[in-house]
Amino acid sequence: AQSVTQPDIHITVSEGASLELRCNYSYGATPYLFWYVQSPGQGLQLLLKYFSGDTLVQGIKGFEAEFKRSQSSFNLRKPSVHWSDAAEYFCAVASKGAQKLVFGQGTRLTINP
Amino acid sequence: EPEVTQTPSHQVTQMGQEVILRCVPISNHLYFYWYRQILGQKVEFLVSFYNNEISEKSEIFDDQFSVERPDGSNFTLKIRSTKLEDSAMYFCASSVRGSLYNEQFFGPGTRLTVL
Repeated sequence: AQSVTQPDIHITVSEGASLELRCNYSYGATPYLFWYVQSPGQGLQLLLKYFSGDTLVQGIKGFEAEFKRSQSSFNLRKPSVHWSDAAEYFCAVASKGAQKLVFGQGTRLTINP
Repeated sequence: EPEVTQTPSHQVTQMGQEVILRCVPISNHLYFYWYRQILGQKVEFLVSFYNNEISEKSEIFDDQFSVERPDGSNFTLKIRSTKLEDSAMYFCASSVRGSLYNEQFFGPGTRLTVL
């Protein structure tokens, strides 16, 4: 069965600093991978997704993620965070042909001014 | 920009009572989903719905749960006899098509508290 682990429940970074949120997945074949963000009072918004091809994926709001098959990872990065990036971030995996997403536990990001 | 809406934002109910959580998906979307997140746990898939039928459901989605599209705009999740362990945030989502090549758009969630 597919599963996703986000090892960091809560991360605090300073505004302007770089960010990396970790995501590890368990799945036998090549997975479909996603990062979602949830701001307070808002729904989950898709930041980026990986299906195949280039392992470095660009998303919205200046985020990128890199698929590393050898490490079963799909870490999210941003070179310089802004106060508005404070939110909950969810990594998710799905299998080809499936409709459902399997989510990680989420990482809450706090930004220090 | 079109968005998925959910009502109410917070529902408090007594154990054993029936609750209906409501969602208005994006108007041209054909596939609808419910997920839930128990506090401190992962977001979990409950059910997907297409063409007035359940297309996939998880083990969580037992006989206590049902979904319905009563009219052209609403998509509802009914819990017949709520239990304490049903307390969670419930998210509705919709997509144009069922393939994951099509993004699932999520609503802001309904927080259900069962006392």
